[in-house]
Amino acid sequence: GNSVTQMEGPVTLSEEAFLTINCTYTATGYPSLFWYVQYPGEGLQLLLKATKADDKGSNKGFEATYRKETTSFHLEKGSVQVSDSAVYFCAQPSGGSYIPTFGRGTSLIVHP
Amino acid sequence: SQTIHQWPATLVQPVGSPLSLECTVEGTSNPNLYWYRQAAGRGLQLLFYSVGIGQISSEVPQNLSASRPQDRQFILSSKKLLLSDSGFYLCAWSPSFGTGGQPGGYTFGSGTRLTVV
Repeated sequence: GNSVTQMEGPVTLSEEAFLTINCTYTATGYPSLFWYVQYPGEGLQLLLKATKADDKGSNKGFEATYRKETTSFHLEKGSVQVSDSAVYFCAQPSGGSYIPTFGRGTSLIVHP
Repeated sequence: SQTIHQWPATLVQPVGSPLSLECTVEGTSNPNLYWYRQAAGRGLQLLFYSVGIGQISSEVPQNLSASRPQDRQFILSSKKLLLSDSGFYLCAWSPSFGTGGQPGGYTFGSGTRLTVV
């Protein structure tokens, strides 16, 4: 079935550093791809999405481009803030039932 | 607008006691509903999903069960809790495929932190 693989964390950065969190997927066809963010003690929130190849999702300074040639959807931000500290999940629908499949999550820690 | 409510936010229960967590969705009809568990420091594990009233699919064998007595209500239960049931439980919904909603657009509740002692 479909799956997503994320880089392991934690990722520790200083404020204003550049962020990349890698995500690759396996799928039949071209599913929509998502990034979710989970702040401490909270549920997951949709951060951004892309619905077809070459689409770029963006929100709150984060970006991710749906690249079918590399089956990737890496999350990037040019300048992280302490408030970006959270766990980030890559996700895609899994099969015809559209059951969501999530990566294991990557913890981001941003120091002042 | 659509909203999802999940309660309680935190729960401490003794081993062997029953469990009932409730999730309700507002502002949409015939949603797909999901229960996930997130163990400390780990990813999300899909426990159950439902595509309609009374339709429950279980992803993993376990000590838990789920029910959907109404279109927008999803309940997670256990008759006797185990220590290993501790974790962060998340309810989520998405538009059903039949309504033409964007597949995979999932909205999560705020979660229930369950500690079994």
